[in-house]
Amino acid sequence: NAGVTQTPKFRILKIGQSMTLQCTQDMNHNYMYWYRQDPGMGLKLIYYSVGAGITDKGEVPNGYNVSRSTTEDFPLRLELAAPSQTSVYFCASSYGGQGYEGEKLFFGSGTQLSVL
Amino acid sequence: AQSVTQLDSHVSVSEGTPVLLRCNYSSSYSPSLFWYVQHPNKGLQLLLKYTSAATLVKGINGFEAEFKKSETSFHLTKPSAHMSDAAEYFCVVSDNFNKFYFGSGTKLNVKP
Repeated sequence: NAGVTQTPKFRILKIGQSMTLQCTQDMNHNYMYWYRQDPGMGLKLIYYSVGAGITDKGEVPNGYNVSRSTTEDFPLRLELAAPSQTSVYFCASSYGGQGYEGEKLFFGSGTQLSVL
Repeated sequence: AQSVTQLDSHVSVSEGTPVLLRCNYSSSYSPSLFWYVQHPNKGLQLLLKYTSAATLVKGINGFEAEFKKSETSFHLTKPSAHMSDAAEYFCVVSDNFNKFYFGSGTKLNVKP
């Protein structure tokens, strides 16, 4: 299993540009998440999904959109990029449920995004 | 609402000495609590998880954490630090609906 795969690893955007961060998992996990990590702030939840066709906002959803058309894929769309979106983005997945394995998050390696 | 507060943004210890990373939580439910570790330029890895089965939880690499409901704390400890423990550590609480809330992180520095 490849686990959680994110692309690209690095990207520089100009203000106002748009882009999609790709995330795919091959573990048949129900739950998928997008987090952003800013220095000294920990990880903040942007959006999450409990299954194909179902998404919901997290703590910091403004300026982002997501879709979940398949179990495997959970792309994050940035429209009209702003400098405040400069961050490291992590995609994660979990099987779901209350057990140890169900709540274990598997993370991708991250995307470092700069908006200039 | 769920939240965690990590009381120290940086902790520095000497190799071979004990490690203590502090975490306090707030939860409307009986919480699920976790510690994750992030080594430089790497993704995050689960260290351990609190389940209601035992208040002292053992994780990987010799780390353990003790759940204290009366103090709403879930501190991470290790008896003897190793250079490879240098990383950033995150305390995490779940809202029992598979949403996870991260603390701000504690960077652990291990001196030779």
